[in-house]
Amino acid sequence: DSGVTQTPKHLITATGQRVTLRCSPRSGDLSVYWYQQSLDQGLQFLIQYYNGEERAKGNILERFSAQQFPDLHSELNLSSLELGDSALYFCASSPQGKSNQPQHFGDGTRLSIL
Amino acid sequence: QKEVEQDPGPLSVPEGAIVSLNCTYSNSAFQYFMWYRQYSRKGPELLMYTYSSGNKEDGRFTAQVDKSSKYISLFIRDSQPSDSATYLCAWDTGRRALTFGSGTRLQVQP
Repeated sequence: DSGVTQTPKHLITATGQRVTLRCSPRSGDLSVYWYQQSLDQGLQFLIQYYNGEERAKGNILERFSAQQFPDLHSELNLSSLELGDSALYFCASSPQGKSNQPQHFGDGTRLSIL
Repeated sequence: QKEVEQDPGPLSVPEGAIVSLNCTYSNSAFQYFMWYRQYSRKGPELLMYTYSSGNKEDGRFTAQVDKSSKYISLFIRDSQPSDSATYLCAWDTGRRALTFGSGTRLQVQP
């Protein structure tokens, strides 16, 4: 058990809808990362937050947004969903968000768009 | 040329074999090197983490980094059926986002 908790485990929804994925980092970790894993693209970095502030951005679509709350949990919001958004979404956390600190992953949310 | 190349496998070996998994990369900015193991329907689990050339050992696992040749390897000794999983190499350029290989699927036959 990595200590990173993600909910829900599985989401099924339709095109055009909006969903929210939730992540609780390991106890004491201030930084949260979001990744998308699809069959054709592999694991891709989306966005990083550190202590409530956005720290780094990857190939995140404009339809996607995230935030980190004062209790350090994070939410990833996906809107105007398309079939191609079907993927596994992982959250990872690290203590200070520095490069010399490895990231630990949750078990992900499987998003299925019908 | 892709930033990271990793043989997708699947790699099938008998129990007790020594397994060698490899990744090559082209970006000289990569500073920190990791190996993750991912079981089906689970998140990536950190196995090894290093930032320097050379070998790092942890139990049955040895990570090898060669920065001059731009490749990293993971060796698994005395492989077990429980080692059957997908193995992902990963890098950090110092900008915090990890770059992952596509993963090698390993099957250890009892």
